[in-house]
Amino acid sequence: DGGITQSPKYLFRKEGQNVTLSCEQNLNHDAMYWYRQDPGQGLRLIYYSQIVNDFQKGDIAEGYSVSREKKESFPLTVTSAQKNPTAFYLCASSITGFEKLFFGSGTQLSVL
Amino acid sequence: GQQVMQIPQYQHVQEGEDFTTYCNSSTTLSNIQWYKQRPGGHPVFLIQLVKSGEVKKQKRLTFQFGEAKKNSSLHITATQTTDVGTYFCAGPITGNQFYFGTGTSLTVIP
Repeated sequence: DGGITQSPKYLFRKEGQNVTLSCEQNLNHDAMYWYRQDPGQGLRLIYYSQIVNDFQKGDIAEGYSVSREKKESFPLTVTSAQKNPTAFYLCASSITGFEKLFFGSGTQLSVL
Repeated sequence: GQQVMQIPQYQHVQEGEDFTTYCNSSTTLSNIQWYKQRPGGHPVFLIQLVKSGEVKKQKRLTFQFGEAKKNSSLHITATQTTDVGTYFCAGPITGNQFYFGTGTSLTVIP
């Protein structure tokens, strides 16, 4: 069954801790994205990648890091520098970058 | 700052009433897409508009792309409880960065 898998569904972070959110796709898509969703603010772009080993910052990249070592995988690390990490994180992919986005089911990150 | 704005932010309608959400971009878009996110779910692609002045219909949903390719609208005729959710427009602003609008949350009262 093709699609995008995000894990875990819920994640808790302790102060000063880095946490990594997983995003895997088996759609053979080149482009992958990370969005942050806060209530009433829509989706804000954190990072995106068009090809392996290349990625670009979005509007709110501070406090986050990504890697794109494989086409299928685009993990997001929320670092301790991100002071307000509580949000719903959505990963998405598209064939080359201008086509429709396919979203994963999201990860809800909360701070303990 | 926010480059794709949507209004209204919230809309409550009685079942059977019509609903419209409007999307405005500060720049010309090569295309615009619409997504629906059910409560507790993730955004799901509805449609893409590419041509200036384009109108597309999906059953009770009508999508329009403005002549200047800077605005778009989604109109739902005779809303049903299954239409509940948040509707987002999205467009590529620079390069392959897809910017999403702020969304319109639709509540349908039975």
